[in-house]
Amino acid sequence: SQKIEQNSEALNIQEGKTATLTCNYTNYSPAYLQWYRQDPGRGPVFLLLIRENEKEKRKERLKVTFDTTLKQSLFHITASQPADSATYLCALNLGAGNMLTFGGGTRLMVKP
Amino acid sequence: EPEVTQTPSHQVTQMGQEVILRCVPISNHLYFYWYRQILGQKVEFLVSFYNNEISEKSEIFDDQFSVERPDGSNFTLKIRSTKLEDSAMYFCASSARESGLVPTPQHFGDGTRLSIL
Repeated sequence: SQKIEQNSEALNIQEGKTATLTCNYTNYSPAYLQWYRQDPGRGPVFLLLIRENEKEKRKERLKVTFDTTLKQSLFHITASQPADSATYLCALNLGAGNMLTFGGGTRLMVKP
Repeated sequence: EPEVTQTPSHQVTQMGQEVILRCVPISNHLYFYWYRQILGQKVEFLVSFYNNEISEKSEIFDDQFSVERPDGSNFTLKIRSTKLEDSAMYFCASSARESGLVPTPQHFGDGTRLSIL
């Protein structure tokens, strides 16, 4: 069966450290993978998109990697801040269409 | 920054009643979507809409659901006869024209919480 799994429901780290979130998928061949942030009671907010032929993408303190052999994406937040506390969702684009298939999310808590 | 707006923020409806959820996408966007999120579960795709027709839909989007773009600004989701299991947060999203075949980011509204009694 097709699955998207994100590591642990919750991740607690100390301010200033690097947070690393994992997204693993099985039985999919996504053309693109996206990461979104979701705050309580709010809609998802787009962060980064990476294509299947890209290994790495960066935006300010954010970095995403995409390994189609391992079927895994890693999402890093460097120099984390309490304001980074939120749920982070990975989402797959499975083909030419724009439909997003989401993982269950990882709740990140950055403690001061 | 332009944003997607959804109304109402919370809708309470009796089972079996019809409900219409409303969305105003970002004005120059061409692709429109509805997703839902049952409490504590994943965000799930329902339907995408482009050029005044449905382009993709999921198994969830059965005959009880319909979408419409009645004018140049609104995008609506109608549930004809609501069931208890339709209780969820419903998110509208929009995106700009694709650049080649690369999907452009989807911009989400803050959702309508639908409670079926």
